[in-house]
Amino acid sequence: DGGITQSPKYLFRKEGQNVTLSCEQNLNHDAMYWYRQDPGQGLRLIYYSQIVNDFQKGDIAEGYSVSREKKESFPLTVTSAQKNPTAFYLCASSRDRGHYGYTFGSGTRLTVV
Amino acid sequence: KQEVTQIPAALSVPEGENLVLNCSFTDSAIYNLQWFRQDPGKGLTSLLLIQSSQREQTSGRLNASLDKSSGRSTLYIAASQPGDSATYLCAVGDDYKLSFGAGTTVTVRA
Repeated sequence: DGGITQSPKYLFRKEGQNVTLSCEQNLNHDAMYWYRQDPGQGLRLIYYSQIVNDFQKGDIAEGYSVSREKKESFPLTVTSAQKNPTAFYLCASSRDRGHYGYTFGSGTRLTVV
Repeated sequence: KQEVTQIPAALSVPEGENLVLNCSFTDSAIYNLQWFRQDPGKGLTSLLLIQSSQREQTSGRLNASLDKSSGRSTLYIAASQPGDSATYLCAVGDDYKLSFGAGTTVTVRA
């Protein structure tokens, strides 16, 4: 079955540490996205990538970085510059600009310890 | 900037009752609108996708309408079941971007 795989499911970060969240899709979708979800708030866009080797900042990109070396993979690094990283992170993909809808992964919960 | 609002924030109904979830958005220049379901601690499951040129979409007990000119969408769930308990998210689609509401948390009591 085609879908999006996010790993790990749970991640703990110490102060000052960088961590990387994995996102892999086998849907052959060109575009991939990272969203952040906080309690009581709507999802907010961190970064998105239209094609390989290209990505753009979303609404809350500060303290995050991404890469898109392969069509299937879009890892997100949460850097030490992100002051409030505790959240639920969701990866998504779409066939094109989103005309045909979006598919989401199962999420990674990141906690600062 | 697109603002998406979902009312009510929470809803509790007895089993068998019909559910009506509302979503409003401020900018009518959209590609589509997508309704998702989210169970606690889980990812998003797509329920219905309505293109901007469409008025409604149906899937089983679910029906979603779209009135782009007034910036409104409604999700109807017929004959609710305890398994329908979840958070329902409305998302408005634009070029490479989804704008989300905060969701409606539904509890269906057996």
